[in-house]
Amino acid sequence: GAVVSQHPSRVICKSGTSVKIECRSLDFQATTMFWYRQFPKQSLMLMATSNEGSKATYEQGVEKDKFLINHASLTLSTLTVTSAHPEDSSFYICSARETGLAGVSDTQYFGPGTRLTVL
Amino acid sequence: RKEVEQDPGPFNVPEGATVAFNCTYSNSASQSFFWYRQDCRKEPKLLMSVYSSGNEDGRFTAQLNRASQYISLLIRDSKLSDSATYLCVVGYTGRRALTFGSGTRLQVQP
Repeated sequence: GAVVSQHPSRVICKSGTSVKIECRSLDFQATTMFWYRQFPKQSLMLMATSNEGSKATYEQGVEKDKFLINHASLTLSTLTVTSAHPEDSSFYICSARETGLAGVSDTQYFGPGTRLTVL
Repeated sequence: RKEVEQDPGPFNVPEGATVAFNCTYSNSASQSFFWYRQDCRKEPKLLMSVYSSGNEDGRFTAQLNRASQYISLLIRDSKLSDSATYLCVVGYTGRRALTFGSGTRLQVQP
């Protein structure tokens, strides 16, 4: 199946710093990527939809100025957590849909996730 | 009310047991349905899609009841390696992202 990578897999940072997470589709092109966040023992919550060449669509309650998303190419989307605080500590997971697939929503391929700990 | 609801469990079953999970969804416009598996501290991985006619993949059987808006997953002959959290996932008309249930935790014991 398709492969999606994320980097870094784990990051520990001080409060107030910014952290960039990369999501890459390795063997397919993805016009659409999704960023999710998962707190312990909770479900994945969609944060935003990343669209190649255009602005991301954020879910209600997600601050677009805090979680900057850039989808500059068909294989790369980045999420930058700006001025991170301890409450931003979470498991961040990206997923990608392969370009050209029809339908409302389809099988998504998930990256391995990035565990962010803000001290 | 959550869009996708699951019993969080945990379901503790012995090896070889048959176990069933149910999931309900609230949006009748739902169009696609999946079961994902998530191991501790890992990303979700697609277990199987769920079709209206029901479908089976080895020891796993998934069924969809549109009238009652629920989805089920049956695991036969449970293995220790089946221990994980099973996520019920739904796709909606006009929305490209998927909506995840909070998951049902399964622990298969020797």
